[in-house]
Amino acid sequence: DVKVTQSSRYLVKRTGEKVFLECVQDMDHENMFWYRQDPGLGLRLIYFSYDVKMKEKGDIPEGYSVSREKKERFSLILESASTNQTSMYLCASSNPTGVDHEQYFGPGTRLTVT
Amino acid sequence: RKEVEQDPGPFNVPEGATVAFNCTYSNSASQSFFWYRQDCRKEPKLLMSVYSSGNEDGRFTAQLNRASQYISLLIRDSKLSDSATYLCVVNSNTGTASKLTFGTGTRLQVTL
Repeated sequence: DVKVTQSSRYLVKRTGEKVFLECVQDMDHENMFWYRQDPGLGLRLIYFSYDVKMKEKGDIPEGYSVSREKKERFSLILESASTNQTSMYLCASSNPTGVDHEQYFGPGTRLTVT
Repeated sequence: RKEVEQDPGPFNVPEGATVAFNCTYSNSASQSFFWYRQDCRKEPKLLMSVYSSGNEDGRFTAQLNRASQYISLLIRDSKLSDSATYLCVVNSNTGTASKLTFGTGTRLQVTL
């Protein structure tokens, strides 16, 4: 079974703090993704990576950065957290040669910025 | 206009009913299509892919109409366990990685 894990289920941070969200997958997938999910807006892609040290901006990259130093790990960084970054953050991975490019999601991190 | 549009619902149906969800997409170059299911407070999971010829998986049938840029999901004989949010998903291949665009989801509540 594919397993995608995220470092925290719930996180509370203060405005201006630097926040690290970690994601690890155990299926040797090349592709990894970070989304945020908000009511009425659905899942929106922040960044994705198709290889170690490679990254591409998604639809809403502003205020975020990412790091992929190892194939299994993809980190999302909020350089200076703001209240509008309060959201559910979901990490996913996929195999580019896999059937239907299925994306496997982690359980999510609910981040609250106060 | 949103890239992928769905009726948010909720659809409240009795057990045993047949229910259909629709979805439209704006990018005519989109290459593949999916339905994902998301249970309350859980992560999305792939339910089924959608092929031009239509495809069926047990009680679930998915259809694609490329000319109208329209996708549908039909659930027959609804079960209580079908209660969830159904996400319409469209793949646009960037060449480096498959990028999925998610609809906001349609919520289904199946009742006794």
